[in-house]
This record gives sequence, structure tokens and C-alpha cells, in this order.
Amino acid sequence: RKEVEQDPGPFNVPEGATVAFNCTYSNSASQSFFWYRQDCRKEPKLLMSVYSSGNEDGRFTAQLNRASQYISLLIRDSKLSDSATYLCVVILAPRMDSSYKLIFGSGTRLLVRP
Amino acid sequence: DGGITQSPKYLFRKEGQNVTLSCEQNLNHDAMYWYRQDPGQGLRLIYYSQIVNDFQKGDIAEGYSVSREKKESFPLTVTSAQKNPTAFYLCASRPGIRSGELFFGEGSRLTVL
Repeated sequence: RKEVEQDPGPFNVPEGATVAFNCTYSNSASQSFFWYRQDCRKEPKLLMSVYSSGNEDGRFTAQLNRASQYISLLIRDSKLSDSATYLCVVILAPRMDSSYKLIFGSGTRLLVRP
Repeated sequence: DGGITQSPKYLFRKEGQNVTLSCEQNLNHDAMYWYRQDPGQGLRLIYYSQIVNDFQKGDIAEGYSVSREKKESFPLTVTSAQKNPTAFYLCASRPGIRSGELFFGEGSRLTVL
């Protein structure tokens, strides 16, 4: 089983729709969670952190469910410019060498159509 | 402007040749990383370095080598031992070991003919 799993999609939605993605993680020692956005053939960029109580940034809402070990990203009022791949990232508790390992999901592709 | 610069952006090489990808950052970050991304897949960690003159293997280090002689620079060599070198290579740095924010370069797309 992969440490971090995402539905690859694509999620094909009309402009203005609300869409949600989930990302499940298997390691209960996972400490921190993030969503990154990656445009086609470009580098990933941090979209938002995910806090335990849930957090919102404009049209984007991130939630964490520790009991079920998943995080979610909700996008309201989808825009054409939201079309991208959304990667979830999990940081594990420190290892023996005190490094904090980041694990990337393989991404969920979103296509917003006119 | 602070950031990470990778070069070259596109690279074509013949099978059996070693290739070195450059990564330079002026963000004063201690930690630097090299990832590989294949179509439809997530990022896989090749090597990382938390301080100068030190680096560790990631999940797929075989066929790759790195050096970290300066804080600003973390070059990656793709050797002839790497069986499937064609991929998108991303260099990143991180402000602190607990930070979830990675700052990425624009990537280097390597094609082996």
C-alpha cells in the first residue's frame, strides 16, 4: 500500500462547480499536511497547509481527519485557471537522523471546462 | 529575487553518457533535495542534503550521485548506471527541517535517446 494515495482523476467539472479531492495516508505518525498545485510541465507550488481544525483560503478549504487518516481539499466556484494537478504532501515524524520526511501523493488532475 | 535555478531546462543525451544537472539557490536554505517525476506519478526522492558536505540517499538513489560543497549548490549527476533516466528532475530547498514548504526550481527535462 502506498504511504500517500490520491485518486488520479481527471475530475472534469464545469466552471462554477464545487469539487473536492481526498488524500489518504497510511502512517499514523504523520505530523503535517499540505496541498501543492502543479501546472502541466511546471514545478509544484505550495497551495496551502492543512490544519487540524480545518482552514480556508478564499475559495479553497482544507480539512484533516486524523481518525480516518485523510485530508481533503474543497474548491468552490471553480475557475478555468484552477485546472491543474493537486498533490498532497505528508510530513512524517522525525527519523533517526532527525530529518522530517516529506511524502508526495501522485496527484489528482482537475479540468475545469467553460 | 531569491529562488532556485535549475539548468539546463531541456537536455538530450545518448544512452551511456553521464549527465550533470545544476541546481543553485540564493534563499540561504540549509536543506536541498532532488526529486524525479515520471508521467502520472508523484515525486520520488533521489537524494537530499541537510547541510554542506553532507547528503543522504533517498528512495531511488541508484544510478545517481550528488555533491554539496557549497550551501548554494547541489548538482545531480545521472550516471550511465541509471536504467531509465528519461524523466523530469526537480530540485528543491526547504527553509527548515519541519517546514512543509518546499521551494522548487523550474525543473530539468532529461531525454535519453
